[in-house]
Amino acid sequence: SQQGEEDPQALSIQEGENATMNCSYKTSINNLQWYRQNSGRGLVHLILIRSNEREKHSGRLRVTLDTSKKSSSLLITASRAADTASYFCATDAYAGGTSYGKLTFGQGTILTVHP
Amino acid sequence: DTEVTQTPKHLVMGMTNKKSLKCEQHMGHRAMYWYKQKAKKPPELMFVYSYEKLSINESVPSRFSPECPNSSLLNLHLHALQPEDSALYLCASSQGTAYTDTQYFGPGTRLTVL
Repeated sequence: SQQGEEDPQALSIQEGENATMNCSYKTSINNLQWYRQNSGRGLVHLILIRSNEREKHSGRLRVTLDTSKKSSSLLITASRAADTASYFCATDAYAGGTSYGKLTFGQGTILTVHP
Repeated sequence: DTEVTQTPKHLVMGMTNKKSLKCEQHMGHRAMYWYKQKAKKPPELMFVYSYEKLSINESVPSRFSPECPNSSLLNLHLHALQPEDSALYLCASSQGTAYTDTQYFGPGTRLTVL
């Protein structure tokens, strides 16, 4: 089954508003990452949060991680039309002290920011 | 240089053709990855190379054959593909595999199989 599930599947907001996306996962993890993908292009890494961290900021991005609930959220503040993209969370499954060495991506949230 | 390059950008091939996708990075990364992405879906891992050795094969059909000639180059050889193999093929690299690092993605090759 999919390691990461995201909601909402699609989000439509006006420029200047905040956008919040959520990600849930099933197994223990070393870290959780968020990536952005503009239509039909490669993915761009946004932020990585380790399992022993609870919150991380990068510019207009704020990521939280709750390992007890196996969930994470990505908040984009003061959104811009250029933020329009798909956003994916990605987790690395971890068991017995060893990472499996691969990322599994969530289904993604399509964010549309209207000017 | 924090760029991963992929060639070609677009590829159209028939089911009997043999073609190759190429990926290159000059960041000194020792792990390289191939992903397949269908429209409106997340990337799905196909192969992982670590220190030029194949470390993960996600049960990919043998019509896809990866090759890592050196630490900067990753190829994906394609033969006898099916129309359902049409997708965006993404290459990525990361520093190492002690734990899962940030991955840097190329722009992808859009493959169409006729």
